[in-house]
Amino acid sequence: ILNVEQSPQSLHVQEGDSTNFTCSFPSSNFYALHWYRWETAKSPEALFVMTLNGDEKKKGRISATLNTKEGYSYLYIKGSQPEDSATYLCAFTASNTGKLIFGQGTTLQVKP
Amino acid sequence: DTAVSQTPKYLVTQMGNDKSIKCEQNLGHDTMYWYKQDSKKFLKIMFSYNNKELIINETVPNRFSPKSPDKAHLNLHINSLELGDSAVYFCASSPLTGTISSYNEQFFGPGTRLTVL
Repeated sequence: ILNVEQSPQSLHVQEGDSTNFTCSFPSSNFYALHWYRWETAKSPEALFVMTLNGDEKKKGRISATLNTKEGYSYLYIKGSQPEDSATYLCAFTASNTGKLIFGQGTTLQVKP
Repeated sequence: DTAVSQTPKYLVTQMGNDKSIKCEQNLGHDTMYWYKQDSKKFLKIMFSYNNKELIINETVPNRFSPKSPDKAHLNLHINSLELGDSAVYFCASSPLTGTISSYNEQFFGPGTRLTVL
């Protein structure tokens, strides 16, 4: 059984704080690691897709790193803003078919 | 322009009925998926089609049958609905890189909330 674990489950920070979350996944048969952002009442939207060990990706104030040998990825948000409040999902795939195994998500609340 | 659309958005029905949820994408993607958001809020893959060909078929009851009339559409038909089928169902699509879907982000529809009474 392939499991994807995310921590913490929820996080409350003040506006301007920087924060990070962890995604742990099986380190064997790795194809790709996806990060999605899911705002309330909306659909999940892709942030990053990472495929190589050591990958680092950045989009504005959000960045992610990947370690496929030890099976983890970090998502960083620098200078959190209230509009960053959402659930952040990571998903791992061990095949070329796009079959994503999702974690339960980290829910971030940023207080103004 | 809606990239991935689902209809209906809400579906309330009685146990034992048969219902369908439709999904359409206008992104020109080759691969489409159905996910179920379970009671613990996990998104779980149900099916995937690649150019109308079934690629992923997870261990879902055979009351669930996907149908792909063309690569822009993937509909989900559910027979003999049960209380436990109540959930939010998401459709998604992604392009292919060569023969690999996994390297590409998936675009999700707005979800269909199914309630079985």
